[in-house]
This record gives sequence, structure tokens and C-alpha cells, in this order.
Amino acid sequence: GDSVTQMEGPVTLSEEAFLTINCTYTATGYPSLFWYVQYPGEGLQLLLKATKADDKGSNKGFEATYRKETTSFHLEKGSVQVSDSAVYFCALRLTGGGNKLTFGTGTQLKVEL
Amino acid sequence: GAVVSQHPSWVICKSGTSVKIECRSLDFQATTMFWYRQFPKQSLMLMATSNEGSKATYEQGVEKDKFLINHASLTLSTLTVTSAHPEDSSFYICSAIKTGVWWLNTEAFFGQGTRLTVV
Repeated sequence: GDSVTQMEGPVTLSEEAFLTINCTYTATGYPSLFWYVQYPGEGLQLLLKATKADDKGSNKGFEATYRKETTSFHLEKGSVQVSDSAVYFCALRLTGGGNKLTFGTGTQLKVEL
Repeated sequence: GAVVSQHPSWVICKSGTSVKIECRSLDFQATTMFWYRQFPKQSLMLMATSNEGSKATYEQGVEKDKFLINHASLTLSTLTVTSAHPEDSSFYICSAIKTGVWWLNTEAFFGQGTRLTVV
């Protein structure tokens, strides 16, 4: 079945450090890929997305490139801030899948001063 | 972006009672809404798909008689946890689908979540 695998957390970084959160997927067909962010006590917010191979999604300094050959969608940010501390979820949505999202397990990011 | 409001944000109830959680799309109409359950340090587990005007579609292993879903209008879906037990304690999240002109522009917007504690 379709699935998303994320690196386990928590990830702890110092402010201004480089961030990478790995995400790989298994899917039948050609999914759209998403990164969502969940701040403490809140629901999920869409961070960025990519709908086809080689697309790069970007938002708020975060970016991720849809790599079909490696079935990956790694999240990166060049310089993290304390306010980036949250849980990050990678997800996929299949074409014709009724808008259902399949989520990874989430990666908690803690950014310290 | 669009706004989805979930209410209440937290609730404590006694074992054996029922609890209703509301999910409203405030500035768009949503034919489809989803209900998820999130366990501590785990991913979101899809419970059911709520379609306006029709019966909900439940995922395998989810008890439809325990988790009653009603999508009465294009802006409101409700999840009722019936005869709640401590093992039902969890974080419940809804999402509403805003349909774009193109399918690729269709986006899910999430509620703030409801923390249910059954004592």
C-alpha cells in the first residue's frame, strides 16, 4: 500500500543551523507531495507542496524537491529559528484518491538559542 | 488561507457518556471532510471520510457505531464519540477540502484539533 516514511525525531538544532528532514514515499501512480507543520496544541498547516516530479515547493524559507527517481521529498531550510520549533509531517495524495492524505509519522523539531 | 474551526478544543468526559465534536469551514463550502485521530508521538490515522448529504465512509478497523459522523451541511461535520471509554482518549483532528478550479489546486485545511480525555 501507499506509505510515507520520515526520519524519527526529535531533531534538536541551534538557531541558524541547517535543517534537513528526510521523507521517502511508496505509492502506486504519481502522487502529489506535501509538508505540513503542527505547532503545539494546534492543527496542521500546509507548509509547501509539489505536484509532479522535479517540482520544488517553497515557503517561509523551507523548500523540498519532488524526486521521482529516489521517491523522496526531503524538507530543507538554510537557517532555522526558534519559531520553527514544531512537528513536521510529510504526506502524499494520490490522483483519484478522493483527496485522502497519507501521512508520515511526523518529525519533531526543537530549535534552541 | 481558508479557515476551519473545530470545537471544543478540549473536553473531559466521564466514561460511558457521549461527546460531540464540531468541525466548521468558516469561509468556504466543503463537500468532503475527513476525521483523523492522532496518538502521542504518532502520525494522523484517518478514521473516516465525511461527505455532505451521504453516509460517512469509515476506514478499516474504525467502529462506525462508536464514532458517529454527520455531515449535515456544506460547512459542518460532527463526530460523536458514543459511550466513551478511557481508550478513546486522544487528539481528534478534522480537515475540510476546499476544491480548486483544477484538482491539483484542491487543498485540505485542518481544524485546531480536540483533546478528548475520558475519565
